[in-house]
Amino acid sequence: DAGITQSPRYKITETGRQVTLMCHQTWSHSYMFWYRQDLGHGLRLIYYSAAADITDKGEVPDGYVVSRSKTENFPLTLESATRSQTSVYFCASSPSHEQYFGPGTRLTVT
Amino acid sequence: GQNIDQPTEMTATEGAIVQINCTYQTSGFNGLFWYQQHAGEAPTFLSYNVLDGLEEKGRFSSFLSRSKGYSYLLLKELQMKDSASYLCAVRDREYGNKLVFGAGTILRVKS
Repeated sequence: DAGITQSPRYKITETGRQVTLMCHQTWSHSYMFWYRQDLGHGLRLIYYSAAADITDKGEVPDGYVVSRSKTENFPLTLESATRSQTSVYFCASSPSHEQYFGPGTRLTVT
Repeated sequence: GQNIDQPTEMTATEGAIVQINCTYQTSGFNGLFWYQQHAGEAPTFLSYNVLDGLEEKGRFSSFLSRSKGYSYLLLKELQMKDSASYLCAVRDREYGNKLVFGAGTILRVKS
């Protein structure tokens, strides 16, 4: 009973590379979210999804792409990584009100 | 737009009571959440308020006043393990019911 998992947990990549961060939940929650967390900014929403095949932009979507072909998976792709995308990325899922967060992926873009 | 303010840092003594305040400005308030986040870990859900008043859950309580745009998280009988960042988040109907998070309050509990 893993709940919500993210992979990889740590990633170092170079500027311009494409990177995909994976998120998987076992609860069958309808809602899923991607956030980034940076010092001084708190958690900022990148994209969210209300159900399979339904996604929408959050506060900071530029440079990111998401898909949700299955309820349990919500991958986040950085199409061409930039140094400003160095951050900790959290995936979350929600049945209705509260959100449950994955352990995070620490991404460094060099 | 949305604006959420919390103190940046607080320090309290083990066994004491501490109150972490959160003020917010939103156009379509639809609930306030508190999360706890230990260093290097994921946020975990603590409480949810949508109506005015106090919600109690063990050592933690959360209060909401919608007319004042104000909430607080009250932690009683502080323990060293309560040292963490506490995040206030508001759900905004005008923002598609998504959460907007404050920057968080780092609480340090000293012995």
